[in-house]
Amino acid sequence: QKEVEQDPGPLSVPEGAIVSLNCTYSNSAFQYFMWYRQYSRKGPELLMYTYSSGNKEDGRFTAQVDKSSKYISLFIRDSQPSDSATYLCAMSVNTGGFKTIFGAGTRLFVKA
Amino acid sequence: SQTIHQWPATLVQPVGSPLSLECTVEGTSNPNLYWYRQAAGRGLQLLFYSVGIGQISSEVPQNLSASRPQDRQFILSSKKLLLSDSGFYLCAWGPRLGETQYFGPGTRLLVL
Repeated sequence: QKEVEQDPGPLSVPEGAIVSLNCTYSNSAFQYFMWYRQYSRKGPELLMYTYSSGNKEDGRFTAQVDKSSKYISLFIRDSQPSDSATYLCAMSVNTGGFKTIFGAGTRLFVKA
Repeated sequence: SQTIHQWPATLVQPVGSPLSLECTVEGTSNPNLYWYRQAAGRGLQLLFYSVGIGQISSEVPQNLSASRPQDRQFILSSKKLLLSDSGFYLCAWGPRLGETQYFGPGTRLLVL
């Protein structure tokens, strides 16, 4: 079993839709949870970062962490064509060593 | 604000040739630095990380090496490239090991 599972998609939605992107993980030691957006042929860009269960909102983006279920989500409201990209989840731990694992990414297409 | 640079942006090299990729960070001191490789459709694979000048930790035994000659400079090298070294190489920095990481624009390497 992979430590982090992320559906590769592609996910295609119409402009204005609410998008839900998800990752599951198996290592309960993970403390930090991040979402990155990566446009084609570019480096990943940090979108959201949280270290606790619950929701964190930033503009049109909401990150949700459920540590009991080992499940994290990123919601995008009022999706725009400019949101078309690959979204990577990442999780890490830095006690007793350091480990960061990235999901393989979900490709999102928002159609105008 | 912090900025991370990588060069070159694209590189085509013959098998058996040497490699040197450079990464520099501006606007911060004593950053944690990371080298990743991203294969098509796959997650990011951590290759090396460094917590300070001359301190290199290797995550995956392979044909590559890393060096940190200055606080904000990180270099990825190889003496003889293999076909399997082709990929998208990303440098990242972070204020605290194992937490948020901020990526550079990447170098696309094609070994022929």
